[in-house]
Amino acid sequence: GAGVSQSPSNKVTEKGKDVELRCDPISGHTALYWYRQSLGQGLEFLIYFQGNSAPDKSGLPSDRFSAERTGGSVSTLTIQRTQQEDSAVYLCASSRPRDYGETQYFGPGTRLLVL
Amino acid sequence: AQSVTQLDSHVSVSEGTPVLLRCNYSSSYSPSLFWYVQHPNKGLQLLLKYTSAATLVKGINGFEAEFKKSETSFHLTKPSAHMSDAAEYFCVVSSNSGYALNFGKGTSLLVTP
Repeated sequence: GAGVSQSPSNKVTEKGKDVELRCDPISGHTALYWYRQSLGQGLEFLIYFQGNSAPDKSGLPSDRFSAERTGGSVSTLTIQRTQQEDSAVYLCASSRPRDYGETQYFGPGTRLLVL
Repeated sequence: AQSVTQLDSHVSVSEGTPVLLRCNYSSSYSPSLFWYVQHPNKGLQLLLKYTSAATLVKGINGFEAEFKKSETSFHLTKPSAHMSDAAEYFCVVSSNSGYALNFGKGTSLLVTP
């Protein structure tokens, strides 16, 4: 079946602009996760959704970052007033209904460059 | 807190020779451990997963890893490297929340002819 898809695959924006990144999880996966991969910080957890609710937003680096999920499926990560340090690859993952250590399946990522 | 340390940032092997990528973990409980691989400009792919069923875990493409609690290690091995194995490899431990994953810094594997 289809894997996790993300769009756009690449995004170039100017400092101060808002961006929206989209994630389509694997069908039937109720858990969804966002991570960020940057040169300096490696791979960092950002936020976790179970269904449409986000019980853990602790990884979001600032209040410029927000995410939502609708219909228990598609999720959007929004970065407002982008800064150059937001440049990174944003990865989305999904898994079956959350169980301890459940395998997460990753999408190809969105590469964001803030000029 | 749960964490992983990948002991080598770069490993270079010749095609056909064994591969060893080293990982030590720190956890206050019995963790789930994973190895993921990332080929250039590609997403993360699960190689294998340990969840306490068996200490020797077999994964895809001939890779395997052994969980050693006494050494807090989860090293990844393959008997014979192939050119297509060249990629970035990540050792990963589940957090105590059970959902967030904690990634190591990664090991870049180079395979030479």
